[in-house]
Amino acid sequence: KNEVEQSPQNLTAQEGEFITINCSYSVGISALHWLQQHPGGGIVSLFMLSSGKKKHGRLIATINIQEKHSSLHITASHPRDSAVYICAVDPSNFGNEKLTFGTGTRLTIIP
Amino acid sequence: NAGVTQTPKFRILKIGQSMTLQCAQDMNHNYMYWYRQDPGMGLKLIYYSVGAGITDKGEVPNGYNVSRSTTEDFPLRLELAAPSQTSVYFCASSLLPIRGPKETQYFGPGTRLLVL
Repeated sequence: KNEVEQSPQNLTAQEGEFITINCSYSVGISALHWLQQHPGGGIVSLFMLSSGKKKHGRLIATINIQEKHSSLHITASHPRDSAVYICAVDPSNFGNEKLTFGTGTRLTIIP
Repeated sequence: NAGVTQTPKFRILKIGQSMTLQCAQDMNHNYMYWYRQDPGMGLKLIYYSVGAGITDKGEVPNGYNVSRSTTEDFPLRLELAAPSQTSVYFCASSLLPIRGPKETQYFGPGTRLLVL
């Protein structure tokens, strides 16, 4: 069974700090997704990656397939980054659409 | 484009009642998904569809039914509501399979359901 573990569960930081959120998984995957869930509940896809690193604005996502680990970094954090960040993995099985989701990391950025 | 829309936003049901959660997208996406999110738990896939007329079970399909008669609409039916179905339900869509090189899912705003 594919397990997805995120750490930390909760993170509070001051505005401007560099943030790192981690995701570990237990089986081989074809891709990993990072999503952001706003305080109002809406969910937005941030990244999908299968190797290396992707950057979008102040957000950077990295993945190490051999170590079964991904990190999401936020540079120069801002209160509007406060949200729950969710990691989801796409198993290597062929022919299904079944992502396995982590329980999320709740990030609070204090002004 | 409105993206992915869901109705209602919130509903209270009595045990044994039935209801349909509506989901529509105007992006001409082939793939549509229904997830539920329970407090402290990760999203779980209920059903998904790869195109009109084609649906398949996800991880937690029991107690639910779906249909996909058009590309735009993907309603989720609860036949006999149970307290265990209290959750927040999200509909999502994508143009291509989620395992594609660039594909992302677009989520609706969610429906909060309380079964008493």
